[in-house]
Amino acid sequence: AQTVTQSQPEMSVQEAETVTLSCTYDTSESDYYLFWYKQPPSRQMILVIRQEAYKQQNATENRFSVNFQKAAKSFSLKISDSQLGDAAMYFCAYRSAGTGNQFYFGTGTSLTVIP
Amino acid sequence: SAVISQKPSRDICQRGTSLTIQCQVDSQVTMMFWYRQQPGQSLTLIATANQGSEATYESGFVIDKFPISRPNLTFSTLTVSNMSPEDSSIYLCSATNPGFGANVLTFGAGSRLTVL
Repeated sequence: AQTVTQSQPEMSVQEAETVTLSCTYDTSESDYYLFWYKQPPSRQMILVIRQEAYKQQNATENRFSVNFQKAAKSFSLKISDSQLGDAAMYFCAYRSAGTGNQFYFGTGTSLTVIP
Repeated sequence: SAVISQKPSRDICQRGTSLTIQCQVDSQVTMMFWYRQQPGQSLTLIATANQGSEATYESGFVIDKFPISRPNLTFSTLTVSNMSPEDSSIYLCSATNPGFGANVLTFGAGSRLTVL
């Protein structure tokens, strides 16, 4: 089974600053999807950003962007201009391409935003 | 993406009892998944529920303990049977559908169970 590793259990960032959350994964496949999900205290898992492995261009969604390094199997999330509402658990996830394939989640990074 | 409603949102249960969690999606979806998230932990897949077939359980989870129903393309239930304190957890319903785009997984808000 694929494994997803988040080596930072906790991170903190000053409001308005930039923070990068790390994620690495292990796979022998060439076609897959990568995701970052956010889980605030309300428990609702929210998709932040996704990346298709066949795309070389890094995905961006407003203040959120990724650094996808396929050869290194690395998928980091950069949050720019951090806001108090960004405080949450962030989970990196992997899914093989094709139907019927499950998602594999990392152990999460707890992000604190300091006012 | 779809909106997924789960109920109950939380419950306190007695040891030895069973509780059924309901998951309703506002559109038809092909695959539904049930996850368990123990306190401070990541998500662990319990089973995949496909309409018209038996659920597929992951290692460590069995149908007698976590029976699942999937009567149609918008609804599923997970029952936690003969509960013990070790079953205290958040249970998350999720779904994916090609129409969501890039096989995105959409989640319900979760059901927090506390077993005394």
